[in-house]
Amino acid sequence: ETGVTQTPRHLVMGMTNKKSLKCEQHLGHNAMYWYKQSAKKPLELMFVYNFKEQTENNSVPSRFSPECPNSSHLFLHLHTLQPEDSALYLCASSQNTGLSNEQFFGPGTRLTVL
Amino acid sequence: AQTVTQSQPEMSVQEAETVTLSCTYDTSESDYYLFWYKQPPSRQMILVIRQEAYKQQNATENRFSVNFQKAAKSFSLKISDSQLGDAAMYFCAYRSGVMDSNYQLIWGAGTKLIIKP
Repeated sequence: ETGVTQTPRHLVMGMTNKKSLKCEQHLGHNAMYWYKQSAKKPLELMFVYNFKEQTENNSVPSRFSPECPNSSHLFLHLHTLQPEDSALYLCASSQNTGLSNEQFFGPGTRLTVL
Repeated sequence: AQTVTQSQPEMSVQEAETVTLSCTYDTSESDYYLFWYKQPPSRQMILVIRQEAYKQQNATENRFSVNFQKAAKSFSLKISDSQLGDAAMYFCAYRSGVMDSNYQLIWGAGTKLIIKP
């Protein structure tokens, strides 16, 4: 595996389910990000981790819970979601959170909440 | 707060021709980076080109070049000799140079580029 991988690629869940999204990066990076991508809207940054420490939480509802056990893995735990949470969830990584650092993206998880 | 605007939701171009995608941004800062990212259908987002605000020279990467007009706060992407593989969503993004911004990327809503064979 190379780059940034995400599993599952597609997920359908009911509003009462609990599920988790997984992201893994094989680039030796220290920063990881979760984004929400909705159609015709700018990407929304949700969480940032730098050296396993959460450095940003952009007022994300508590039904989204991130976890970063090490610099290579990032999870997004989901529970009691709403239909408006349906979107493409992108994971990204970068060397660190420095100004010029390029972010490398995973393919995303397409989430549908029924 | 900074904002990024892509005024063209969709653009189309004939294969082998040149197309320019528009991006404007609003900021009061003088130190920042600008990026163009490409997201092909069902594929990963990749960086196309970046521009440092303090550099006057426009960045180029093979067939991709930018027209960076700092005073006008404009950052357009020119794709020369368009190829079928260029079909994608293109996103413009701004990154503040202010440390307490945590260097977050501010994104535009994207432009869908269609290549006509």
